[in-house]
Amino acid sequence: KNEVEQSPQNLTAQEGEFITINCSYSVGISALHWLQQHPGGGIVSLFMLSSGKKKHGRLIATINIQEKHSSLHITASHPRDSAVYICAVDNTDKLIFGTGTRLQVFP
Amino acid sequence: NAGVTQTPKFQVLKTGQSMTLQCAQDMNHNSMYWYRQDPGMGLRLIYYSASEGTTDKGEVPNGYNVSRLNKREFSLRLESAAPSQTSVYFCASLSGLNYGYTFGSGTRLTVV
Repeated sequence: KNEVEQSPQNLTAQEGEFITINCSYSVGISALHWLQQHPGGGIVSLFMLSSGKKKHGRLIATINIQEKHSSLHITASHPRDSAVYICAVDNTDKLIFGTGTRLQVFP
Repeated sequence: NAGVTQTPKFQVLKTGQSMTLQCAQDMNHNSMYWYRQDPGMGLRLIYYSASEGTTDKGEVPNGYNVSRLNKREFSLRLESAAPSQTSVYFCASLSGLNYGYTFGSGTRLTVV
């Protein structure tokens, strides 16, 4: 069993839909990261959080430390949100990555 | 522009050849990392450096060496490339504060 599990693996949405991507982990962490990887391959850090909730534009990330679970929400999705979203956890000075959720948003 | 600069972006090697992937950051970050990304797998840590002058093995260090030349630069060397090292390599740095990781644009390496 992977230490960081993401669901779903693939997600298709129509423009404007509300999207949720989930991340569960089984190790102790100091922080959790949400990353975005576009088809060109570059990786961008979206959020780093250790408790509660963070919001940036149409993106919202939440974490429940007791349940070892985090969610990434995208409101009013747009085709430019199409990318792979990766969850990673900080565990003893190293990151453990999930395998990513591939999101496609169609007009 | 501030960030992490990786070179080269693409490289094809023959089995047994050597090469060095270069990484530099201008954000005064202490920690730097080398990851590889393979299809169907999450990024995996090869080596990391928590500060200038220190390096440590990650999850998949075999076949690689690293050098933290100074605070800005962290290079990854393949002494004798193997087809199993065909992958996309990412360098990253961490501010140590609360701003998360900054990644380079990646190096797509093919070993034939």
